[in-house]
Amino acid sequence: GAGVSQSPSNKVTEKGKDVELRCDPISGHTALYWYRQSLGQGLEFLIYFQGNSAPDKSGLPSDRFSAERTGGSVSTLTIQRTQQEDSAVYLCASSSPLLVRLQETQYFGPGTRLLVL
Amino acid sequence: AQSVTQLGSHVSVSEGALVLLRCNYSSSVPPYLFWYVQYPNQGLQLLLKYTSAATLVKGINGFEAEFKKSETSFHLTKPSAHMSDAAEYFCAVSEKWNAGGTSYGKLTFGQGTILTVHP
Repeated sequence: GAGVSQSPSNKVTEKGKDVELRCDPISGHTALYWYRQSLGQGLEFLIYFQGNSAPDKSGLPSDRFSAERTGGSVSTLTIQRTQQEDSAVYLCASSSPLLVRLQETQYFGPGTRLLVL
Repeated sequence: AQSVTQLGSHVSVSEGALVLLRCNYSSSVPPYLFWYVQYPNQGLQLLLKYTSAATLVKGINGFEAEFKKSETSFHLTKPSAHMSDAAEYFCAVSEKWNAGGTSYGKLTFGQGTILTVHP
């Protein structure tokens, strides 16, 4: 079956512009995560969705970052007024915690490489 | 909070040699541990995971890892490196969080180790 997909694969934008990053999780996966991978900070958790709600937004770096999920499926991460420090790879992952178990595997998408000029 | 330390940001081996990538964790509770691999311009792919069923875990592509509680380690090994193993490897621990009436696992990653394989 299809894995996690993300679009666009690459995005170059100018400082101050808004960007939207999209994630299509594996069908039927109720849990969805966003992570950010940057040179200085490594892999960092951003936000967790269970269904359409986001009980954990603790990793979002500022109020310029927001995310939503609709229909329990597609998620969009929006960065407003982008800054150069937002340049990173944004990774999406999904999992199917049929029982809530910590060892459920998170399946990652290929990421969106964002460059803010 | 849990943390993961990967010793060595870069490891270089010859083709056919043993691969050893080190990972140490800190956790106040029994951990769930993962190794992921990332090939250039790709996402993370699960190599193997420890879920307390067995201390020696076998994964894909000939990799295995041994959980040692006394050493708080989960080192990744492969007996014979192949050129196709060149990639970045991440060790991660799953931490239980509770929010909004739900429990879930949040991955905390190590800094990654870039493996280079020489012919």
